[in-house]
Amino acid sequence: DIQMTQSPSSVSASVGDRVTITCRASQGISSWLAWYQQKPGKAPKLLIYTASSLQSGVPSRFSGSGSGTHFTLTVSSLQPEDFATYYCQQANSFPLTFGGGTKVEI
Amino acid sequence: QVQLQESGPGLVKPSQTLSLTCTVSGGSVSSGRYYWSWIRQPAGKGLEWIGRIYTSGSTNYNPSLKSRVTISVDTSKNQFSLKLSSVTAADTAVYYCATQDYANSGFDYWGQGTLVTVSS
Repeated sequence: DIQMTQSPSSVSASVGDRVTITCRASQGISSWLAWYQQKPGKAPKLLIYTASSLQSGVPSRFSGSGSGTHFTLTVSSLQPEDFATYYCQQANSFPLTFGGGTKVEI
Repeated sequence: QVQLQESGPGLVKPSQTLSLTCTVSGGSVSSGRYYWSWIRQPAGKGLEWIGRIYTSGSTNYNPSLKSRVTISVDTSKNQFSLKLSSVTAADTAVYYCATQDYANSGFDYWGQGTLVTVSS
């Protein structure tokens, strides 16, 4: 299985901050990486697919980059509604796997 | 836009079979655009992919669950289903159905999730 390792596991930030979350794959996954946002009691929401493509309706302050084994999700200016847990997910090979999550807290 | 709704028992006894159904609206399970998928999340933990089915009927399962999982589709009801046999307390989780886009592989539509507790 491809292991997805996210860092940090949690981050404290303020409104307006730039926040970057890293996801590393245990082997190369090309650009087959997605990012999700999950709020308590809710289903995850797709933010980014194929590493850097913004899902329709997602604010442009979210961006993704990377390929191979190293990926990042950046929120350019954190808004109150962005406080949530973020997950990466690889779609290169079975089983599809998710990172352990990064909680963005105030 | 596609909407998904999970349904099924919220409590299952150990060793029994967990059965959930996902009803699709705003789209068709016969569409070639999506894989129809199941994902679960134990309380306070991360996400685990269970498996998926394509309109052709082809399936892919997580090897860690493969011996116990069956995913099927009912085109007449526009639903797809999950069966997980021989459940234990470790299978207690919120179960989500989701669509995985065939082209970009992102899980773009999700059900609200349903909590299934395994307990006697």
